[in-house]
Amino acid sequence: AQSVTQLGSHVSVSEGALVLLRCNYSSSVPPYLFWYVQYPNQGLQLLLKYTSAATLVKGINGFEAEFKKSETSFHLTKPSAHMSDAAEYFCAVSDRDSGGSNYKLTFGKGTLLTVNP
Amino acid sequence: DTEVTQTPKHLVMGMTNKKSLKCEQHMGHRAMYWYKQKAKKPPELMFVYSYEKLSINESVPSRFSPECPNSSLLNLHLHALQPEDSALYLCASSQGTLTDTQYFGPGTRLTVL
Repeated sequence: AQSVTQLGSHVSVSEGALVLLRCNYSSSVPPYLFWYVQYPNQGLQLLLKYTSAATLVKGINGFEAEFKKSETSFHLTKPSAHMSDAAEYFCAVSDRDSGGSNYKLTFGKGTLLTVNP
Repeated sequence: DTEVTQTPKHLVMGMTNKKSLKCEQHMGHRAMYWYKQKAKKPPELMFVYSYEKLSINESVPSRFSPECPNSSLLNLHLHALQPEDSALYLCASSQGTLTDTQYFGPGTRLTVL
């Protein structure tokens, strides 16, 4: 089964600083990777996804992620943090279930991003 | 329209009550999902419906009973829940392939007394 590991359960940055949220994957086949954001008391919203078309993926709200096969990584970045970016961020990998005919997302444990004024 | 709606937003129930959570999507998606999310944890998959048939049950206790009346609706029937079942219950939908985005609803915040 494929899995993702998010390094750092909590990241704190200053407003205007670079945001870097780390995600490493474990997969024997090319993975399909997703970043979701969850604001307090809300559902999850897709930021971006990697489906092997391009290694640098641009998403919403100025976020982007680069797929690096050599490092088995898919880190999320944003050049300049905004107060509104404060949220929980989840990296996820799409995988087949044990029966092989259905697909499901497996999430990392999440990284809470706080942005200081 | 990429909206998944869930009702109610909040639900408080006793351990002997029977209640239902509802989820609706009008994106023509063939797959619908129920997740359970505890505080400061990632969503945990509970059930997957594909073409209105239950395709994945992640060993969920029988006090949770899913139902998919049609391709747009997904219900989760609750009976004899325990306090540890208190959580945010999220519904999602997608086209159901490996690369498709899952669209999530806002969730139902469930408290079991």
